[in-house]
Amino acid sequence: QKEVEQNSGPLSVPEGAIASLNCTYSDRGSQSFFWYRQYSGKSPELIMFIYSNGDKEDGRFTAQLNKASQYVSLLIRDSQPSDSATYLCAVENFGNEKLTFGTGTRLTIIP
Amino acid sequence: DAGVTQSPTHLIKTRGQQVTLRCSPKSGHDTVSWYQQALGQGPQFIFQYYEEEERQRGNFPDRFSGHQFPNYSSELYVNALLLGDSALYLCASSLGGDFYEQFFGPGTRLTVL
Repeated sequence: QKEVEQNSGPLSVPEGAIASLNCTYSDRGSQSFFWYRQYSGKSPELIMFIYSNGDKEDGRFTAQLNKASQYVSLLIRDSQPSDSATYLCAVENFGNEKLTFGTGTRLTIIP
Repeated sequence: DAGVTQSPTHLIKTRGQQVTLRCSPKSGHDTVSWYQQALGQGPQFIFQYYEEEERQRGNFPDRFSGHQFPNYSSELYVNALLLGDSALYLCASSLGGDFYEQFFGPGTRLTVL
């Protein structure tokens, strides 16, 4: 079992709709969770992080964490063509001081 | 305010050679982490340098080594290159190793022939 799993996609979402990206992790000791966006040929860019159960909102982005289910998700509201990218989920374990990334989900917003 | 910079942008080497990749962290940052990203995969953590010491290491062989200088810049060394080492090498900087504010550089694309 991979430490961090994501559906590789591609995930196609109409412009203006909500895009939902999911990530599961295997280590129950995982403490902090990060979502990165990576455009083709570019480096990852941090969108947001979450470490408490529940929802965390930042503009059009909402991260959701459920530690009991070992599940973290990212919702993108009012999706725009500029949101088309690969979204990477990353997990930090307590005291581990390293990030473990999933393989990423490729998201395409259809105008 | 300069962000994270890396050099060179692209590099082509042959099997068995060695390579040196360079990274300058964002101003004010003191920690550098290195990642390897193969095509179609997520970044894999190689190691992290803080106060000129390797603080944490991922599952990479000893062929991968590094160094951090007093000005916090860092170099990644890969010896005895294999075809499988072809990847995008990313450097990320942060303050005190805090991943909440980790910024990635543009990366170095290494091709091993």
